[in-house]
Amino acid sequence: KAGVTQTPRYLIKTRGQQVTLSCSPISGHRSVSWYQQTPGQGLQFLFEYFSETQRNKGNFPGRFSGRQFSNSRSEMNVSTLELGDSALYLCASSVFKGGTYEQYFGPGTRLTVT
Amino acid sequence: GNSVTQMEGPVTLSEEAFLTINCTYTATGYPSLFWYVQYPGEGLQLLLKATKADDKGSNKGFEATYRKETTSFHLEKGSVQVSDSAVYFCALNSDNLFFGTGTRLTVIP
Repeated sequence: KAGVTQTPRYLIKTRGQQVTLSCSPISGHRSVSWYQQTPGQGLQFLFEYFSETQRNKGNFPGRFSGRQFSNSRSEMNVSTLELGDSALYLCASSVFKGGTYEQYFGPGTRLTVT
Repeated sequence: GNSVTQMEGPVTLSEEAFLTINCTYTATGYPSLFWYVQYPGEGLQLLLKATKADDKGSNKGFEATYRKETTSFHLEKGSVQVSDSAVYFCALNSDNLFFGTGTRLTVIP
């Protein structure tokens, strides 16, 4: 099976712009989660989608939003970009296996805000 | 609340040395515990997991045991290789993954 794919891999944006990142989960996985990784804050949960519904949300401002499509592909959007949004954004799809949900991560999208 | 505390590092070892990376957690209930590994320029890879107390997860020579009494899930490997150089993250699952800060391991020949 193909792994989780994320596009684009690298992105440079200017403060105030908006950006959309895309994630395709492993075939058959219906849950997609997004995480932000920065050197200062580490890995932080953004949100999770299951069957096109947001099931869980982390502690991020409303500028961060997401959605999931009927084929389980997901997008996240960040509006009015700030310098502090520069980070590696990781997408993970999950499956229930061996008594728990296992999350499988994509390679990430490296966003740089200038 | 949920949190994970792990040894910060960096850790530098010679090839074939014994590795321990400490991880303790705070959680409500009985979460599943994980170790993930991140190689340079890549996303996270699931290394091993344990779903209940006294479970031992193992993979690629790495092991970790879910210790409820000490709320710990320490990662160990008996003989590290240069190819094990990476950042290791301990995590617990409670609705979503809560990660530790990561421990950078460098193995020198």
